[in-house]
This record gives sequence, structure tokens and C-alpha cells, in this order.
Amino acid sequence: EVQLVESGGGLVQPGGSLRLSCAASGFTFSRNWMSWVRQAPGKGLEWVANLNQDGSEKYYVDSVKGRFTISRDNAKNSLYLQINSLRAEDTAVYYCARDLSSSSARFYFDYWGQGTLVTVSS
Amino acid sequence: QSVLTQPPSVSGAPGQRVTISCTGSSSNIGAGYDVHWYQHLPGTAPKLLIYGNTNRPSGVPDRFSGSKSGTSASLAITGLQAEDEADYYCQSHDSSLRGSRVFGTGTKVTVL
Repeated sequence: EVQLVESGGGLVQPGGSLRLSCAASGFTFSRNWMSWVRQAPGKGLEWVANLNQDGSEKYYVDSVKGRFTISRDNAKNSLYLQINSLRAEDTAVYYCARDLSSSSARFYFDYWGQGTLVTVSS
Repeated sequence: QSVLTQPPSVSGAPGQRVTISCTGSSSNIGAGYDVHWYQHLPGTAPKLLIYGNTNRPSGVPDRFSGSKSGTSASLAITGLQAEDEADYYCQSHDSSLRGSRVFGTGTKVTVL
């Protein structure tokens, strides 16, 4: 059974930092792209960042470039998101998801974690 | 900054059919990238409902169906049930950035 379990969320002051983690099990983690997706209160889903199997390719939504860093440790079956210079608008539930590509035109998320809440407030 | 547009809400009585549209552009859906759909209940993990425009993962009822044409896609729910009340999102890829994934604005389905 595929499981993705996020951790590391919490209350942080504006300008602060957090490191989110996602523990994966039930599939060969090292063979898959992975993504972080977030949902701010009252808003829709927003893709944040993803990376390829060995972490050599990383992509970010414009609003987090330079502040967020996605990474992975295939030996530990873990995905990470380092979030710095936090702003109130970064308040959201952050989900990790397996980012599946089954063709050059087909990219989607087939498994998701339950999410971890990040609240940015003074 | 969603680049895929959905109606904010749709509603229907139990047993009825509802459809949700998803409108993109020439850099995503219109460029030939597939559209996928997710069901999201508050406090839970989003669930993949339709992948590759029309395909249902194992366990998804055949009441849910998807289609795509040009720069748009649609999700149809037939035989609406109370348990279908949720938020629904379309998703695709955008050619503006290699790794870019884009979501729709989301649609709240209400069962009357």
C-alpha cells in the first residue's frame, strides 16, 4: 500500500523558516518524480514544486522561487521542502504527491499525503 | 494564479447529472497535454478521479467520466449521490516550464 506522510508544519513568524518532510512507502521512491502542492485557507490547490528521480531537475511556481527549496533523500525514501522568508500568504496545508508521468503529454498526481499545516503569523 | 478556469459551483438533486468545465489555453490543454481530475473533501487528501482525460483509476465509480476537446475539458457526474458533495479540480501541464503542473480554480459540487 502506497503511503505518503507529511510532517514539519507549524506556527512560524513572518520571515521565519520551516522544513517539511514527506516519508514515502509502498513503492519504489527513487523511480518517481515527486511534488509539493499547497492549499491556502479558502483557496484552491496550487502546485508548488517538483523534482525528478535523482533530484537533478527542480522546478518551482514563480511565487516561491528563491525562497523554497525542494530536495529528496532516496536512501531514506523521503522528500523535503525547505521554506524560508515565510510570508502570510504562504499559510496553507502542504501536500506531498507522487508526480506520475506515463507519456510526454501525461503528468498527474496519483497518490497524495494527508498534508501538514503551515501557519505564518506574528 | 490558476491558469485553468472552472465554474465556482454547480449543484444538482440526487440522481441528476452535473458537468464541470475546465478551460485552458494553447500552452496547456490546447497544446495537447492531458487533463486529470481530483475530488477533494475538506481535511482529507485529494483523490485522483480521472487521468488521461477519460480514464478512471481502479475503484472510481463509472458515474464519473471525463472528456477533452480543444482547449477545454469536462467532468460529468451522473446519478449524483450525497457523497459526491466535494470540491473538484482539473489539472494539466503547462509548456511554459518543463516541470510545471497547473490546477483549475476548483468547483464546489452541492447535492441539493
